[in-house]
Amino acid sequence: QSVLTQPPSVSAAPGQKVTISCSGSSSNIGNNYVSWYQHLPGTAPKLLIYDNNKRPSGIPDRFSGSKSGTSATLGITGLQTGDEADYYCGTWDSSLRVIVFGGGTQLTVL
Amino acid sequence: EVQLLESGGGLAQPGGSVRLSCEASGFNVRSYAMNWVRQAPGKGLEWVSLMSGTGDTISYGDSVKGRFSISRDNSKNTVFLQMNGLRADDTAVYYCARGHIVGTSFWFDSWGQGTLVTVSS
Repeated sequence: QSVLTQPPSVSAAPGQKVTISCSGSSSNIGNNYVSWYQHLPGTAPKLLIYDNNKRPSGIPDRFSGSKSGTSATLGITGLQTGDEADYYCGTWDSSLRVIVFGGGTQLTVL
Repeated sequence: EVQLLESGGGLAQPGGSVRLSCEASGFNVRSYAMNWVRQAPGKGLEWVSLMSGTGDTISYGDSVKGRFSISRDNSKNTVFLQMNGLRADDTAVYYCARGHIVGTSFWFDSWGQGTLVTVSS
């Protein structure tokens, strides 16, 4: 059972928009910054978003992040088949004093 | 170009030991928080361990505390994960990741391809 809760799967058609939620508590998301990662099994995970809503160099603006209270959201617009992957949120948990990840969300682009 | 190359994975006996290596290039490991993150088969990402750039801060996840140890060889720009008392549930792909810590913000901006550790008799 992950400390951060994500939906197991989401799906949408090419060109459409999808959002992935990440729910936590005051000890993690509520008082710390959130990052998001894209992961194709067997490959190196990729950083998409850090500091809740900042994109590293090279990440297209189709990817966006937001945070409100104890929840965070990753948005992906203009979906492409290449976006099919697992997506993870992550943050620091001040009570557990560990880095925590969500359980991951599998994105299917129909 | 930043690169992280893990090695040392393989088959280990329950109760046995494995030492993983993460050779970094394109940056100095003393300037970043270096981490190990694992993914068990069919499961999500799990943070394992961290060593700060100064080496002053070392942390472990609860599931590996007391069994795993992170260390670093500055001359080789390499980070290690010594894994002792291995259990079947330590079976996973182990990733090395470069971390940033800024106040209450923490993120991993570069990852290796991973090395598989299988614990089985």
